[in-house]
Amino acid sequence: GESVGLHLPTLSVQEGDNSIINCAYSNSASDYFIWYKQESGKGPQFIIDIRSNMDKRQGQRVTVLLNKTVKHLSLQIAATQPGDSAVYFCADQVDRDDKIIFGKGTRLHILP
Amino acid sequence: EPEVTQTPSHQVTQMGQEVILRCVPISNHLYFYWYRQILGQKVEFLVSFYNNEISEKSEIFDDQFSVERPDGSNFTLKIRSTKLEDSAMYFCASEPDGYQPQHFGDGTRLSIL
Repeated sequence: GESVGLHLPTLSVQEGDNSIINCAYSNSASDYFIWYKQESGKGPQFIIDIRSNMDKRQGQRVTVLLNKTVKHLSLQIAATQPGDSAVYFCADQVDRDDKIIFGKGTRLHILP
Repeated sequence: EPEVTQTPSHQVTQMGQEVILRCVPISNHLYFYWYRQILGQKVEFLVSFYNNEISEKSEIFDDQFSVERPDGSNFTLKIRSTKLEDSAMYFCASEPDGYQPQHFGDGTRLSIL
């Protein structure tokens, strides 16, 4: 069935270090993957996405890696800042315009 | 940057009462969604809406739930007779055509007493 799960519920990272948040998905039919950031009291905010025909995509300070062989997705945040503190969700869609299946989320805590 | 707006930000309702949650999606978007998030849990899909009809609904979206797009800008979620377990954050999302990310509003916190 469809499911997206995260390995760690909480990740603590020193400010300035790089963060890596991991995610496993189970539906091999998933074609589109998204990372969302959720700050307290806010809705999920889009960070970066990747299609299944790619294995890496870079944004401004973020990189998403997709390993379809082992159904693994990761989000790398470079030079982590206090404003990066949030819960991060990976999510997938089987097809465009499909519902999003969210994982449980990883809370990223930035240490001073 | 255009955004999805939701009202009210917090709704407190007695059990058994009807509630309507309102959303204004991004204007050129074609696909509309409602999700909910029970406190401390993951975001769950409720319903998707396209071309003035429901595209898909989850098992959560039972006969007590309905959605409507009454005009060109609003998208509403109605719960006819609320239950205690309906207490959650409700998020509206919209999406343009193609492989584009869904954009979420900041949600309505629904508290059922």
